[in-house]
Amino acid sequence: EAQVTQNPRYLITVTGKKLTVTCSQNMNHEYMSWYRQDPGLGLRQIYYSMNVEVTDKGDVPEGYKVSRKEKRNFPLILESPSPNQTSLYFCASFQYGGLTDTQYFGPGTRLTVL
Amino acid sequence: AQSVTQLGSHVSVSEGALVLLRCNYSSSVPPYLFWYVQYPNQGLQLLLKYTSAATLVKGINGFEAEFKKSETSFHLTKPSAHMSDAAEYFCAVTWGSGGSNYKLTFGKGTLLTVNP
Repeated sequence: EAQVTQNPRYLITVTGKKLTVTCSQNMNHEYMSWYRQDPGLGLRQIYYSMNVEVTDKGDVPEGYKVSRKEKRNFPLILESPSPNQTSLYFCASFQYGGLTDTQYFGPGTRLTVL
Repeated sequence: AQSVTQLGSHVSVSEGALVLLRCNYSSSVPPYLFWYVQYPNQGLQLLLKYTSAATLVKGINGFEAEFKKSETSFHLTKPSAHMSDAAEYFCAVTWGSGGSNYKLTFGKGTLLTVNP
């Protein structure tokens, strides 16, 4: 089954404690992306990756890092989380060859930073 | 700047009534358009997408949307609401092409409530 998985699904942490949210896809997609969802703001892109070792900033990259060492994995790293990073995070993957191809989303990671 | 606007953050309908969720975009170039649904505590599921093959697009669960270039709109409709349609709906667009970021720009979402 084609899918994007994220772990953990829920995380409560404290300010300043480094954390990583993993994302993995089994569709051999080249493009992967991270979004955050906040009430009343919809989803906003954090970072994206066009392929292995190719990453770039989205609209709200401050406070986040990513890496793309393997095609299937695209972890999101918060080196010093702050309360304003409390949010619902989604990973997505997509195989470009036509813009109307579907972006697949993971189930989401709900992060609370105290 | 290119943007997406969903009119109405909350829409309430009775079961069996017409569902109309509005989406407008601002763009100088034709976008690619999508509607996603998010059920409580779940991820995003694609309802339908505009492929430029036809302006009226049919999706899953009886939803459809019509692309109107002159109105820069892509409203989502369903003739008869069902209780199971209660969810949050997001309109999204992308303009990326060939080597560009395929970022989806999302509207802020419309929460659909269906009353018995």
